Amino acid sequence: DAGITQSPRHKVTETGTPVTLRCHQTENHRYMYWYRQDPGHGLRLIHYSYGVKDTDKGEVSDGYSVSRSKTEDFLLTLESATSSQTSVYFCASQGGATNEKLFFGSGTQLSVL
Amino acid sequence: GIQVEQSPPDLILQEGANSTLRCNFSDSVNNLQWFHQNPWGQLINLFYIPSGTKQNGRLSATTVATERYSLLYISSSQTTDSGVYFCAVPRYGNNRLAFGKGNQVVVIP
Repeated sequence: DAGITQSPRHKVTETGTPVTLRCHQTENHRYMYWYRQDPGHGLRLIHYSYGVKDTDKGEVSDGYSVSRSKTEDFLLTLESATSSQTSVYFCASQGGATNEKLFFGSGTQLSVL
Repeated sequence: GIQVEQSPPDLILQEGANSTLRCNFSDSVNNLQWFHQNPWGQLINLFYIPSGTKQNGRLSATTVATERYSLLYISSSQTTDSGVYFCAVPRYGNNRLAFGKGNQVVVIP
């Protein structure tokens, strides 16, 4: 599988604090994604990127922002964390063509207290 | 947007048994992928299969795009096959996959 690293793996934070999750891929993949996984809702797309500095919203983007300054790095920021953002966050990447396999990182467990 | 339904939602298998998981989707697609999430949460891509049949060890998948479904076959199941199987199809263009709710599979020794 593709080399996708997420950090941190686990984080506990308080309501109202900013949080940044990091995703790093070593495959030179053009497309990168952030998903969240919650019981009863499955995997839902938060934001995605189709190139450096090119990002767009997914289906659950409220309260989140992203940045992609380099091909290999995709950051997800919770500007002011809320308890509803407690979730497992997965980063994924995909090669140059959109009809290629999607590969996931190992996930970040985020708890907002 | 496109709807994805997976069945059965839960399945318990005796080790060595065979099983079939189904993914129905509501619109035509040219990109369908199957994933396995193991009990530790890791998501592994099993197949990219917009049409036809592919084999990967004891797993195989068939997509009949004209009839809007895909099947994942698990043969001679092992305890390592336990986990959740997801299918995913594009919701808004090829590079934004929407996931079904998954098939929870438990293989008992």
